[in-house]
Amino acid sequence: DGGITQSPKYLFRKEGQNVTLSCEQNLNHDAMYWYRQDPGQGLRLIYYSQIVNDFQKGDIAEGYSVSREKKESFPLTVTSAQKNPTAFYLCASRRRAGTGSGNTIYFGEGSWLTVV
Amino acid sequence: GQQLNQSPQSMFIQEGEDVSMNCTSSSIFNTWLWYKQDPGEGPVLLIALYKAGELTSNGRLTAQFGITRKDSFLNISASIPSDVGIYFCAGQLLGPGGGADGLTFGKGTHLIIQP
Repeated sequence: DGGITQSPKYLFRKEGQNVTLSCEQNLNHDAMYWYRQDPGQGLRLIYYSQIVNDFQKGDIAEGYSVSREKKESFPLTVTSAQKNPTAFYLCASRRRAGTGSGNTIYFGEGSWLTVV
Repeated sequence: GQQLNQSPQSMFIQEGEDVSMNCTSSSIFNTWLWYKQDPGEGPVLLIALYKAGELTSNGRLTAQFGITRKDSFLNISASIPSDVGIYFCAGQLLGPGGGADGLTFGKGTHLIIQP
């Protein structure tokens, strides 16, 4: 099946640890995104990438890092600098930004991160 | 980033009723997208709109791209229990501005269906 795969679905982090969330897409999309969703809140953009080896900070990038070494992969690392990391994380992708169907963004199933 | 105003924030309806929700902005968009999100899952695309005035249906769902390009609505007819969830709108800004290539999200409408 074509789509966006996030793993793991559930992850527990100890204080001071870095953890990495995986996001893989086989849709041949150029752009990929990471969003954070807190209970009762909308989606907040962490990082996005429009092309391999390039990425941009979103609205809440502090305490997070990403890489885009391959078109299909966009992993997110939650570092120990992120003081309140407990949230639901969503990865998304789209063919390209511009007009028409290339604008349509598709989401993965999400990953829950909890600090213990 | 640019905000979309989505309303209502929540809806409590009886099974079988029709539902209507909308998103508005002061900016012009060239794409409107509607999603449904179940608890603990990622948003699933319901309807995509690419032209002003476009009216598109997907089963019991109907959405329209406002003629001014600043708004969109989603209607659900004859609601059923599985319609429960959070519905999000998203818009692609026409021109510069906004976050992440101009993609902007509403904060969602919580739909609750009373038996």
